[in-house]
Parts: sequence; C-alpha cells; structure tokens
Amino acid sequence: GEDVEQSLFLSVREGDSSVINCTYTDSSSTYLYWYKQEPGAGLQLLTYIFSNMDMKQDQRLTVLLNKKDKHLSLRIADTQTGDSAIYFCAESPTNFGNEKLTFGTGTRLTIIP
Amino acid sequence: DADVTQTPRNRITKTGKRIMLECSQTKGHDRMYWYRQDPGLGLRLIYYSFDVKDINKGEISDGYSVSRQAQAKFSLSLESAIPNQTALYFCATSGGAKNIQYFGAGTRLSVL
Repeated sequence: GEDVEQSLFLSVREGDSSVINCTYTDSSSTYLYWYKQEPGAGLQLLTYIFSNMDMKQDQRLTVLLNKKDKHLSLRIADTQTGDSAIYFCAESPTNFGNEKLTFGTGTRLTIIP
Repeated sequence: DADVTQTPRNRITKTGKRIMLECSQTKGHDRMYWYRQDPGLGLRLIYYSFDVKDINKGEISDGYSVSRQAQAKFSLSLESAIPNQTALYFCATSGGAKNIQYFGAGTRLSVL
C-alpha cells in the first residue's frame, strides 16, 4: 500500500527557516497536503499542491515537490513560536472514488528562543 | 460553532465496556472518516464512508464498528474496549475534487 514518511522531530531557532521533509511511494498521487496540529486540537490544512506543480508559495510557506524523487518539503520562513506544532504530510491518489488520504507520522517542530 | 464536532472530548472507560464516539458536521460533505492517532504512528484510518449507504473498512478496523446515521452524522463504536485502543480519535469530512479533509478537535480515549 501507499506509504508516507517523515522525520519525527525538528528543532529550529526562532527567526530561522524551518524545512520539513516528506517522502511518499504512490506515484499516482494527485494532491499532496500539509496539515498542522496544535496541542489539544485537530488537524488543520496549511496548504496543498497539485501533482503537476513544482512549487507553491503562500506568505511564509513554500512547498516544493520533486515528483521524480517522490519528495515533498514545507519551508516556513522566519519561524515564530506560534509555529510550534506537529506537521503532517498527506497524499491523495488519482483514482476517483478512492478519496482516502494517507498521512505521514508527523514531524514535531520545536522552536528554540 | 465548529464545522466538525466530536463528542465526548475526553473519555475514560474500563476494559470490556462498549463505548460510542460521535461525530457531526455542518459542512454538507458526503465523505466522512474516522482516524486514530498514536505517538510516532501518525494517523491511521479506521473506517470511512462516502455516503449514507456506503461504509468501508480502513487499515485498522478490527475491534471497531461504525454507523452512518445521516449525511451529517458518523459514529464510531468500540464493542468491547481494550487498553491498546487508548488513543486520540479524529473524525474528518471531505468534499470536492481537491479532497481536502476537515477535522474535528478529537476525542481522547483511555481504556483502563
């Protein structure tokens, strides 16, 4: 079956850029997503990218997709304490009628003052 | 008000008890999902439903059952709870071609 992998932890100094990486195995992925989970809360969509795109930028967030290597990354510029959370990568397959997401393990981002 | 509401938010129960977790949504979506979150394992899909008459098993359905009472309601039951079902449970909904999923705040379940 499909598999999505992420590192479990990342620590970054406040003001630096954070880069969270994700690899996936399903070559038929249509959309890839980044979700954020703050303590005590559910997952909230941060951004997504369509599989025919290489990059998407949204304010402090930059998503890079390398479809050949099946690698997705999320860069957060000027990381702030409010960015402390768990970040999940997820992918959705192409075949209509099979709209399940496969999630990674999540990366816990810790901000160092 | 939240678009996806889960009740209860926290539950402590004993081994062997039957419990139900409830989810309701106001987004008008047809698709609903139940996930379980465990540290270091991410989210794993328990059951999903693409409409009221459609129920499908996910990757970890053993020990769980679901009921889709209406488009807006999807409940998860543990017929006989066991300690390794202690986890954080999330309900989600989705609609549209981009398949963006919207999550409830979660139910923290402890089975003693």
